[in-house]
Amino acid sequence: GAVVSQHPSWVICKSGTSVKIECRSLDFQATTMFWYRQFPKQSLMLMATSNEGSKATYEQGVEKDKFLINHASLTLSTLTVTSAHPEDSSFYICSAADPSGRMETQYFGPGTRLLVL
Amino acid sequence: SQQGEEDPQALSIQEGENATMNCSYKTSINNLQWYRQNSGRGLVHLILIRSNEREKHSGRLRVTLDTSKKSSSLLITASRAADTASYFCATATDSWGKLQFGAGTQVVVTP
Repeated sequence: GAVVSQHPSWVICKSGTSVKIECRSLDFQATTMFWYRQFPKQSLMLMATSNEGSKATYEQGVEKDKFLINHASLTLSTLTVTSAHPEDSSFYICSAADPSGRMETQYFGPGTRLLVL
Repeated sequence: SQQGEEDPQALSIQEGENATMNCSYKTSINNLQWYRQNSGRGLVHLILIRSNEREKHSGRLRVTLDTSKKSSSLLITASRAADTASYFCATATDSWGKLQFGAGTQVVVTP
């Protein structure tokens, strides 16, 4: 099946710094990628939809200036957590749909665990 | 916001037993999907059922969908210790991929 990677797999940073997370589709081109966050023992919450070549669409309550999304190519979307604070500590997961197959099926990255001190 | 609720929240069974979990949702859907997540890892797609389908099978998995009740169930037969994971349902209101996840069911299968 299609493979999606994320980098880094985990990151620890100081409060106030910015952190960039990469999401790559390895063997297919993804015009659309999705970013989720997951708190411990909770479900995934959709943060935003990343569209190649256009602005991301953010879910209600998600600050677009806080979580910057750039989908510069058909295989890469990045999520930058700006001026991170401890409450931003979470598990961030991206997913992508393979447009050459059935768009309904999403392939998820392994996730990035962010800890802000 | 989450689309649906799942029950039970947690399920503990022995190897060989069947595990059933349910998912309810609130709005009309295009399809419903089930995913598995091992602790601290990404999600693995298990099965997709479309709104015009009532039942689907994949190996030891059986999924039902009742759109009149806005509910779905996932049955894992002859469970194995390797089935220990959290299971999430996710609904899509269109066919292009945006998903809303349920709260999840944590399944523990003991040898």
